[in-house]
Amino acid sequence: DTEVTQTPKHLVMGMTNKKSLKCEQHMGHRAMYWYKQKAKKPPELMFVYSYEKLSINESVPSRFSPECPNSSLLNLHLHALQPEDSALYLCASSHTGTGSYEQYFGPGTRLTVT
Amino acid sequence: GENVEQHPSTLSVQEGDSAVIKCTYSDSASNYFPWYKQELGKGPQLIIDIRSNVGEKKDQRIAVTLNKTAKHFSLHITETQPEDSAVYFCAACSGGGADGLTFGKGTHLIIQP
Repeated sequence: DTEVTQTPKHLVMGMTNKKSLKCEQHMGHRAMYWYKQKAKKPPELMFVYSYEKLSINESVPSRFSPECPNSSLLNLHLHALQPEDSALYLCASSHTGTGSYEQYFGPGTRLTVT
Repeated sequence: GENVEQHPSTLSVQEGDSAVIKCTYSDSASNYFPWYKQELGKGPQLIIDIRSNVGEKKDQRIAVTLNKTAKHFSLHITETQPEDSAVYFCAACSGGGADGLTFGKGTHLIIQP
């Protein structure tokens, strides 16, 4: 089973709202990722967690706040977003170790900021 | 950082014909090259990958080739079917352990019946 689940599927929020995106995997992966994908563009890396610790932050604005409460869960907390933050937010997971490993993606959360 | 170029941006082929998508990368440290298929409204699906110590890999109708010297890799789909219609992304990764992927801009593959 290579399933990564994400909730909610769709989210509409105002610029003053606070919301959270959730991601879950039960493949025993210890690396989890957030990507952002704008329409007709490739996914762009935002954050990487390795063994529940933030290991990569691609200079993402502080209005995006990631959290990895345990090895199966990954959250993305959203606050004071801008309309240009509207996008598909993808979660992925992989094994980690001395080599590069397959990353499996969830279906994404389509976020609209009004 | 890594830069991945992907061509063509759109590819239309007749059902049953072959399709080839090409990518080049810039970072000689990159050692892992996956290909993803993304259908409308879905997340990217890993379809095949290749590591830098291998020159070619095949899985049924799909194959990937890697030329490390030239820093390019290609996806080959034979006997194309309507369900192959999607956007295909190549990607490269240079890290060990957990490292993010750098994606090409994508190829919209259209299979004409």
